[in-house]
Amino acid sequence: NAGVTQTPKFQVLKTGQSMTLQCAQDMNHEYMSWYRQDPGMGLRLIHYSVGAGITDQGEVPNGYNVSRSTTEDFPLRLLSAAPSQTSVYFCASRKTGVGQPQHFGDGTRLSIL
Amino acid sequence: RKEVEQDPGPFNVPEGATVAFNCTYSNSASQSFFWYRQDCRKEPKLLMSVYSSGNEDGRFTAQLNRASQYISLLIRDSKLSDSATYLCVVNGGTNAGKSTFGDGTTLTVKP
Repeated sequence: NAGVTQTPKFQVLKTGQSMTLQCAQDMNHEYMSWYRQDPGMGLRLIHYSVGAGITDQGEVPNGYNVSRSTTEDFPLRLLSAAPSQTSVYFCASRKTGVGQPQHFGDGTRLSIL
Repeated sequence: RKEVEQDPGPFNVPEGATVAFNCTYSNSASQSFFWYRQDCRKEPKLLMSVYSSGNEDGRFTAQLNRASQYISLLIRDSKLSDSATYLCVVNGGTNAGKSTFGDGTTLTVKP
């Protein structure tokens, strides 16, 4: 009963490094999304996808890339890490259609030094 | 103006109190509505969906007013364990399927 799986759970990077946050779901959900949450703030949408091969920008896309080559996986790439990207990152998925709630992964806690 | 707006609170109430949270959304084409609960920067978890006719789950009641573009959550007989941040979520609207979260309302229930 995996649901949405995010790896790693914790990561520390140096400024300028790149890395990929992994997200996988086993529920055959078409819609997947990435959010970041800074201390004391709400969730902000980074990128989302409505199906394999289709991605779109959210509210705060700069500094991040995504791809969706399969239904199951939706990795988030940080191109050149900056301290402003220190945050908790959540991946979520749901079926498309009316009335479908999102299911979240446990989150990745990322610190950029 | 944000697409989904909530009163951030915080709401500090004694055990047993009734508390109500409000949420407004800007896009009249929005199709689905939910309340989520988030504990201490853990992942948000679905509390309940919100239906036009209103719906209840134990001590929790959700209402939707499409004409006013307004969603509410009522918690009766508050428990210490209800302390959390409550997020209003709206699907659909400007981009088909996109989910938009409010910034959340923080509730602390005290003994």
